[in-house]
Amino acid sequence: EIVLTQSPGTLSLSPGQRATLSCRASQSVSSSYLAWYQQKPGQAPRLLIYGASSRAPGIPDRFSGSGSGTDFTLTISRLEPEDFAVYYCQQYGSSPRFTFGPGTKVDLK
Amino acid sequence: QVQLQQSGPGLVKPSQTLSVTCAISGDSVSSTSAAWNWIRQSPSRGLEWLGRTYYRSKWYNDYAESVKGRITINPDTSKNHFSLQLNSVTPEDTAVYYCARQTSANMDVWGKGTTVTVSS
Repeated sequence: EIVLTQSPGTLSLSPGQRATLSCRASQSVSSSYLAWYQQKPGQAPRLLIYGASSRAPGIPDRFSGSGSGTDFTLTISRLEPEDFAVYYCQQYGSSPRFTFGPGTKVDLK
Repeated sequence: QVQLQQSGPGLVKPSQTLSVTCAISGDSVSSTSAAWNWIRQSPSRGLEWLGRTYYRSKWYNDYAESVKGRITINPDTSKNHFSLQLNSVTPEDTAVYYCARQTSANMDVWGKGTTVTVSS
């Protein structure tokens, strides 16, 4: 089973700042199979990035994804007030089909 | 656009069966380009994928090892929905349960979630 580790656990930033979130896999993951989600309190996760670097429909271009192998990054170029949330990476594999990281909380400094 | 509407009881007694249904609008449970998943979320376990059902000339199911033997996911083509049944529940099964559509290798549409508490 591939285990995903996310860092940092919490990122305290101000609006307008750049956020860099890391997701590390215990084994190599195909870039096609790495996604990022945003979750706000009381809401379901929302797909942001799929295939490691492709934005989902309707996602602003301040969100970008990169990486390959075991190291992936989600970058928010300039934080907007609505971006303060928890972010999860997810990989698609064989067993279990989907695993999620523990999340990074981006909160207001 | 595609929407998923969840329904089910919020309280289940230990040893009983948890049942949640996900009604699909804007897509078909029989779609050959989608799979229909159940995921749960709890403070102790985070986001945990439970299983899926999908149609590719015939019906298939995949289940997580952690719940295999207790879980059944059934499609209902007449109602265009799919359901989750989890047997022999314990307080460890207390969580928010989500249904979600999978296209390719990610989940692009999610239900709003059903909070299920296992307690006597």
